[in-house]
Amino acid sequence: AQKVTQAQTEISVVEKEDVTLDCVYETRDTTYYLFWYKQPPSGELVFLIRRNSFDEQNEISGRYSWNFQKSTSSFNFTITASQVVDPAVYFCALSDAYTGGFKTIFGAGTRLFVKA
Amino acid sequence: EAGVVQSPRYKIIEKKQPVAFWCNPISGHNTLYWYLQNLGQGPELLIRYENEEAVDDSQLPKDRFSAERLKGVDSTLKIQPAELGDSAVYLCASSPGTGITGELFFGEGSRLTVL
Repeated sequence: AQKVTQAQTEISVVEKEDVTLDCVYETRDTTYYLFWYKQPPSGELVFLIRRNSFDEQNEISGRYSWNFQKSTSSFNFTITASQVVDPAVYFCALSDAYTGGFKTIFGAGTRLFVKA
Repeated sequence: EAGVVQSPRYKIIEKKQPVAFWCNPISGHNTLYWYLQNLGQGPELLIRYENEEAVDDSQLPKDRFSAERLKGVDSTLKIQPAELGDSAVYLCASSPGTGITGELFFGEGSRLTVL
């Protein structure tokens, strides 16, 4: 069965600090994709990053980086030098195949606060 | 390029009343999704369309919810009659392909309050 767990409900950091958001997933498929989305107060979820199950290379994109470890089924997301534009709810998502097609499911989200 | 457009943004109704939400996906996106987002939770899939075909409606409460995507472009989600527990944000999303690889493009959502 699919499952995405974001254990951190809320995180608060001081501006310019780094922050890591945790994500643990469950799937029976060997082929799957993992995503991070950002939901600012306006409500629109915005895609941030994607990683497929065959590529465990960790990357950096601007202030964003991610750590994908299949051995622990984790897909953690780090924001470097947090800024006042970063407060939002961040969702980890898993997309994999199942009978009838594919499905993308989301974790419960982690709300990020940034203090000036 | 215009994003996913949803309307209305906000709707307040009394229980047992009907309500409808409209979604216009990004031009050229074949796959359209309706998600339900309760307060403090992540989005949960209600229905997925590939063109005009509902390929996954297993999570749609069919006794009171219905959806359609005529002509494979815009879509309408209806609730009749609404119940107090239906208060939530209804999100529409689209994607260009039908596989598992792509990201979803979301609208701003329609926030429903049932009194």
